Order: sequence, then C-alpha cells, then structure tokens
Amino acid sequence: AQKITQTQPGMFVQEKEAVTLDCTYDTSDPSYGLFWYKQPSSGEMIFLIYQGSYDQQNATEGRYSLNFQKARKSANLVISASQLGDSAMYFCAMREAYNQGGKLIFGQGTELSVKP
Amino acid sequence: SAVISQKPSRDICQRGTSLTIQCQVDSQVTMMFWYRQQPGQSLTLIATANQGSEATYESGFVIDKFPISRPNLTFSTLTVSNMSPEDSSIYLCSVEVRDRGMNTEAFFGQGTRLTVV
Repeated sequence: AQKITQTQPGMFVQEKEAVTLDCTYDTSDPSYGLFWYKQPSSGEMIFLIYQGSYDQQNATEGRYSLNFQKARKSANLVISASQLGDSAMYFCAMREAYNQGGKLIFGQGTELSVKP
Repeated sequence: SAVISQKPSRDICQRGTSLTIQCQVDSQVTMMFWYRQQPGQSLTLIATANQGSEATYESGFVIDKFPISRPNLTFSTLTVSNMSPEDSSIYLCSVEVRDRGMNTEAFFGQGTRLTVV
C-alpha cells in the first residue's frame, strides 16, 4: 500500500488566490513527521513546512500552512496568495519514528501552475 | 537550518564510466541520505551514510553500483558506477536537523542532474 498519496498530478491556480494541495498518508506508528517540499525546474528540493504527529496546532510558515487532520490521515498544504514563482512540483513526505534511519517516504508529487 | 553544497550540479557522462557526487554540509550531522529521482518520478532513498560505518542501502540498491563514503560528519560522496542510460536521474543528498523545539527538518542539496549517453 502507498504510504504517501498525492492524488492531484497537476493543479492550476490564479495568481493571488489560495490553493490546497492534497496529501494522505498511511502509518501505524503513533509518532511520525510530515514534510512538504517545493521542487522548481532547477531540481533542488526546498523545505517548506513540517508537522509532527503530536503537534496540537497546524504548522504555518509565512504563506504556507498545513491542514493536519490526524483522524483522516491527511496533511494538505495550503498556499495563500499564490505567486507566479510558486509554480513548481510539490512533494509531501513522511518520516516514521520507528525508522531509526530517518528515511523520508515521498508521494508522487503535484505540479502546480500559477496563472497570471 | 543547514546549508548543503552539492556538486557537480549537472553532468553528461558516457555509459560505462563512473561519476562521484560530493555533498558538503555547513554543520556536523550524524546521518546523511542519498536519494535518486528518476525523470518524472518521485524521490527514492538509495542509502543512509553514517560516519564511521558502512552505508545502509535500501532494497534495490547495492554498494557495488553506488559506493558511498562518509569520512567525517560534514561530508559524503556517492559514486554512480558503470553508468547506463537508466542511471540518468537527479541525485540528491539530504541531512536531518533538529531545531530548538526538537522538531525534525530535512534539508536537501541542490541536486546533481546526471545524463548518461
């Protein structure tokens, strides 16, 4: 079974509007972390936001916020006030605490296109 | 946070040759990770590089093909050996950092875009 699922291969959003990128995960580990990354065409992976499974509040970083719904096992990324520079691939990833190696498991990604 | 310098940023290599990718971190880290991203795909972990011990490889990856060195806590190399066109990918190194709140953040190098011809 897929550990991390991103069901939206591609998304379009109008500049200055908000957009939600979906991510669901599957784990039996009570302790885990969820990450979102942005990958522009240059290929680098840019860390955006992190949510721990025990965090009481949803993580926020500037225009990025994470809509963490633990019971539904979802960790959607919300980007407010989209900018043209937000056009990129976005990856959701999970790290399970039992995994001593710190390995990240990635979803398949969502390609976001911001329209002017 | 951590600043990771990875080089080369890109290369075009002949099949049958080998390429060594370097990853330098601006702080000491216990574990470094090497990922592969094949064209149009997501990231897959190749191996975890631990200082002072052999790297731990994921299923489907072997040391003969992807030898890794980790001579100290700030540096690692990944070699892609006896390359074939199927090895054309982006290779990324990553480190894990704990912030003051004990949250874990994972940072990546700029990636190495490898094309094998």
